[in-house]
Amino acid sequence: DAGITQSPRHKVTETGTPVTLRCHQTENHRYMYWYRQDPGHGLRLIHYSYGVKDTDKGEVSDGYSVSRSKTEDFLLTLESATSSQTSVYFCAISGPRQGPNTIYFGEGSWLTVV
Amino acid sequence: EDQVTQSPEALRLQEGESSSLNCSYTVSGLRGLFWYRQDPGKGPEFLFTLYSAGEEKEKERLKATLTKKESFLHITAPKPEDSATYLCAVQARNYGQNFVFGPGTRLSVLP
Repeated sequence: DAGITQSPRHKVTETGTPVTLRCHQTENHRYMYWYRQDPGHGLRLIHYSYGVKDTDKGEVSDGYSVSRSKTEDFLLTLESATSSQTSVYFCAISGPRQGPNTIYFGEGSWLTVV
Repeated sequence: EDQVTQSPEALRLQEGESSSLNCSYTVSGLRGLFWYRQDPGKGPEFLFTLYSAGEEKEKERLKATLTKKESFLHITAPKPEDSATYLCAVQARNYGQNFVFGPGTRLSVLP
């Protein structure tokens, strides 16, 4: 158990609606990440955070925004969901549990945009 | 261009039939190479971190090795419960905090 909770775990939403996914950690780690996983593409980084209110873009950040107001929470927002954002979203944290920079994942949030 | 590739894409083994999975990378300034196991409908589960060429790590039937260009995940006498997708990832100095993942190898171990 990596101490990461994602919510919701499953969501179906309509095109054009806003969606927020939440990631909560109990490890007090500095770095938090949002990845998406799609067939044929593997895991791709959307955004990451290196501290409260400190975030940076990843490889596939267009259409996504993030916020981190507390160490333990990292939110991913789709301002206006599109069908191309149908995916599995994984939150991850990294910290010195079993060595520096090791990354641990949550259980995933399945998002379907119809 | 920096990239991470894995081979084979899929592998079917009989129970007890040992084999190896490959992860090849072309990055400069490797900070770490990571192996994960992912079961269907689950998040990736951390297995190993390797930091330098020549390093080896073992866990039960799994052994990971690292050279300057690739890593191998050796599976000795696999059991059906070893069936999963195995992912490798690298972290390099020019990636900042990004971990770049390979596409994975889907392993099936038949009883």
